[in-house]
Amino acid sequence: QKEVEQDPGPLSVPEGAIVSLNCTYSNSAFQYFMWYRQYSRKGPELLMYTYSSGNKEDGRFTAQVDKSSKYISLFIRDSQPSDSATYLCAMSPSSNTGKLIFGQGTTLQVKP
Amino acid sequence: DTGVSQDPRHKITKRGQNVTFRCDPISEHNRLYWYRQTLGQGPEFLTYFQNEAQLEKSRLLSDRFSAERPKGSFSTLEIQRTEQGDSAMYLCASSSTAWIGQSGANVLTFGAGSRLTVL
Repeated sequence: QKEVEQDPGPLSVPEGAIVSLNCTYSNSAFQYFMWYRQYSRKGPELLMYTYSSGNKEDGRFTAQVDKSSKYISLFIRDSQPSDSATYLCAMSPSSNTGKLIFGQGTTLQVKP
Repeated sequence: DTGVSQDPRHKITKRGQNVTFRCDPISEHNRLYWYRQTLGQGPEFLTYFQNEAQLEKSRLLSDRFSAERPKGSFSTLEIQRTEQGDSAMYLCASSSTAWIGQSGANVLTFGAGSRLTVL
């Protein structure tokens, strides 16, 4: 069993839809949770960074962490065709390590 | 600041050949990481440096792989006697330990990657 599980999709939604992306994990030591966006043939870019449980909002993006359930989510409101990409969740137990554990990635397509 | 640069972007080689990838991190960053990403999977950690010291290597990094960061700036990742299973995207990332307590040294900036195809 992988430490981080993520539904690979693909997920296809119409423009303007609310998108929900999720990851589950097994290691209770994870304290830091990130979402990266990766366009085709590009490197991942950091979207959201959160510590411990709770919500964080940045524009159309909201990240939620529920440590009791070992479950994290990324919500995208008013989705745009430019949001079409692969979304990767990533986690680490400490702020002092860049050794991140990534999910498989979910491929999202937003249709105009 | 031009971000993290990787070269070459794509390398096609025959099985058994040696290949080398180069990474130039963000200049203010003292940590440099190498990850490998295969098709349809998330990146997997290979190794990382703090300045010129290689502090950790994954068990994924077989003896055919060697990474260096001789002057604490750019890094190279060499794969000897390539195998078809080495075909992947090799990603370099950098971060700064000066960010600990704020955003954290776990905030990685990735390069665009070097794609390796072994025929």
